[in-house]
Amino acid sequence: AQSVTQLDSQVPVFEEAPVELRCNYSSSVSVYLFWYVQYPNQGLQLLLKYLSGSTLVKGINGFEAEFNKSQTSFHLRKPSVHISDTAEYFCAVSTTGTASKLTFGTGTRLQVTL
Amino acid sequence: DAGITQSPRHKVTETGTPVTLRCHQTENHRYMYWYRQDPGHGLRLIHYSYGVKDTDKGEVSDGYSVSRSKTEDFLLTLESATSSQTSVYFCAISAGTGKRRTYEQYFGPGTRLTVT
Repeated sequence: AQSVTQLDSQVPVFEEAPVELRCNYSSSVSVYLFWYVQYPNQGLQLLLKYLSGSTLVKGINGFEAEFNKSQTSFHLRKPSVHISDTAEYFCAVSTTGTASKLTFGTGTRLQVTL
Repeated sequence: DAGITQSPRHKVTETGTPVTLRCHQTENHRYMYWYRQDPGHGLRLIHYSYGVKDTDKGEVSDGYSVSRSKTEDFLLTLESATSSQTSVYFCAISAGTGKRRTYEQYFGPGTRLTVT
């Protein structure tokens, strides 16, 4: 079984500052990794994914994440945030095969202020 | 847009009544999922389906049942609703099969269910 830990439940940051949202995972098998964003009263939207290859993946809205196998981490970063980035961010892992399922972290609330 | 709709979008019901939520997709995806979202818990898988009439339990399946009689519809039923089932329910799909399988999931807009 796999699990995901998002270490920070809330991250306050000023506009135009950089941000890092942390995600650590645990799994006995190889996994795929994802970050999703949820704006207020909306569904989840895929930000980026890591399946294989380059450990640095770029997503939408200027976000990127780096897969670190030795530290079992997949931290999300943005060099300069905007007010519009205020949302809840979820890290998730998935195994492969017919019975593949996503396991989500508990989420990090990013609050961007002026 | 993965062509996923959920109905109803909002529902208030009384304890002990049965409730059915519908997820409809227009792109013939094989894999469909039901999650519930609660503060402090993220999203938790209730049930999932890997084809017509092929379903399996997730981590929080007690009190819920599902049916999938055709590819495009995946129904979630609360047999006898309880206050602990007050939540936001999301449906999701996963695209592709076999070597073309992509493991990311795409989510519907959600159904907010309140059990009084």
